[in-house]
Amino acid sequence: NAGVMQNPRHLVRRRGQEARLRCSPMKGHSHVYWYRQLPEEGLKFMVYLQKENIIDESGMPKERFSAEFPKEGPSILRIQQVVRGDSAAYFCASSPEGLNTEAFFGQGTRLTVV
Amino acid sequence: DAKTTQPPSMDCAEGRAANLPCNHSTISGNEYVYWYRQIHSQGPQYIIHGLKNNETNEMASLIITEDRKSSTLILPHATLRDTAVYYCIVRVRWGGSNYKLTFGKGTLLTVNP
Repeated sequence: NAGVMQNPRHLVRRRGQEARLRCSPMKGHSHVYWYRQLPEEGLKFMVYLQKENIIDESGMPKERFSAEFPKEGPSILRIQQVVRGDSAAYFCASSPEGLNTEAFFGQGTRLTVV
Repeated sequence: DAKTTQPPSMDCAEGRAANLPCNHSTISGNEYVYWYRQIHSQGPQYIIHGLKNNETNEMASLIITEDRKSSTLILPHATLRDTAVYYCIVRVRWGGSNYKLTFGKGTLLTVNP
């Protein structure tokens, strides 16, 4: 049973470019979460999605950031016009339906903006 | 969200039990206590969770006090590979099966040889 798969593992973008981060949840999981970890800081919740729906985006910056989880395919976190402050590790987690369930995390995508 | 309080750091000798405390005095009756850990630069790893009974799995044991205001994660025989930041999280629940995890600063456990 494959775990949560994130790609790419490392991504380098120049200022002003777009970054697309992909997350394939575990088989049978319908909930996806994105977290960001800035250097030397803790994990911060960004967005929570179910298939084709954004449930909670309270942690997403108001501009340049968007997320989707289509009916088919991986969840995508998109950052437009990246700036150096976007450099961070972005982690995706997934969980199945249900109350008493744990979320499993991927190994993250490390974004570096140069 | 119920807030949690953890010591910022702890040390443990290799082979000994590591006991990591967590206070969650404002926890609600339907909120679970979860423990995750993050080994340097890796994704957080689920360890264990519980509601009010003590729990044990292959990784650790979770002891929750009777009033549920605090808990302790026990790694029975710590190894060098257990060096990590350990997060105690109380899970928020709203609207049916929806929830999210809110991470605090955690405890940096250093296992020494």
